[in-house]
Amino acid sequence: SQKIEQNSEALNIQEGKTATLTCNYTNYSPAYLQWYRQDPGRGPVFLLLIRENEKEKRKERLKVTFDTTLKQSLFHITASQPADSATYLCALSLYNDMRFGAGTRLTVKP
Amino acid sequence: NAGVTQTPKFQVLKTGQSMTLQCAQDMNHEYMSWYRQDPGMGLRLIHYSVGAGITDQGEVPNGYNVSRSTTEDFPLRLLSAAPSQTSVYFCASSSKETQYFGPGTRLLVL
Repeated sequence: SQKIEQNSEALNIQEGKTATLTCNYTNYSPAYLQWYRQDPGRGPVFLLLIRENEKEKRKERLKVTFDTTLKQSLFHITASQPADSATYLCALSLYNDMRFGAGTRLTVKP
Repeated sequence: NAGVTQTPKFQVLKTGQSMTLQCAQDMNHEYMSWYRQDPGMGLRLIHYSVGAGITDQGEVPNGYNVSRSTTEDFPLRLLSAAPSQTSVYFCASSSKETQYFGPGTRLLVL
């Protein structure tokens, strides 16, 4: 069966550390993968997109890697801040369809 | 730009009632979609549209209808609400590979 799994429901880290979130998938062949941020009571906000032929993408303190052999994407937030606390969703693009993981709730403690 | 707007913000229905969730975007995007978000299950695609007059089913279309008479509007109809349709509904519109989500409609079906 097809699955998208994000490493854990919740991740707690100390301010200043690097947060690493994992997205694993099975039985999909996505053209690209996206990461979104969602705050409580709000809609998801797009952060980064990485294509199947790209290994790594960066944007400010964010870095995404994509390994189509392992069927895994890693999402890193360096020098994390309490304002980075949110739920982070990965999403696979399948032609006109998007499939989302359940999300990882990140808490950055001061 | 208002982006993607959704109304109402919150709605309570009785089983068997019908209602329409409204969605509008002012970004002139061709692609629009509806998702539902349930705890622990991530966002699931209900229906999508690649342009005015064209709609298609997503992962969980049963119990929902859509139409797309204009580029701006993409309403979602529940013809006979069921408790299983209690959820948070998000509308999104897309520019190439980036999705912009609305603020969501929280629906409770009793």
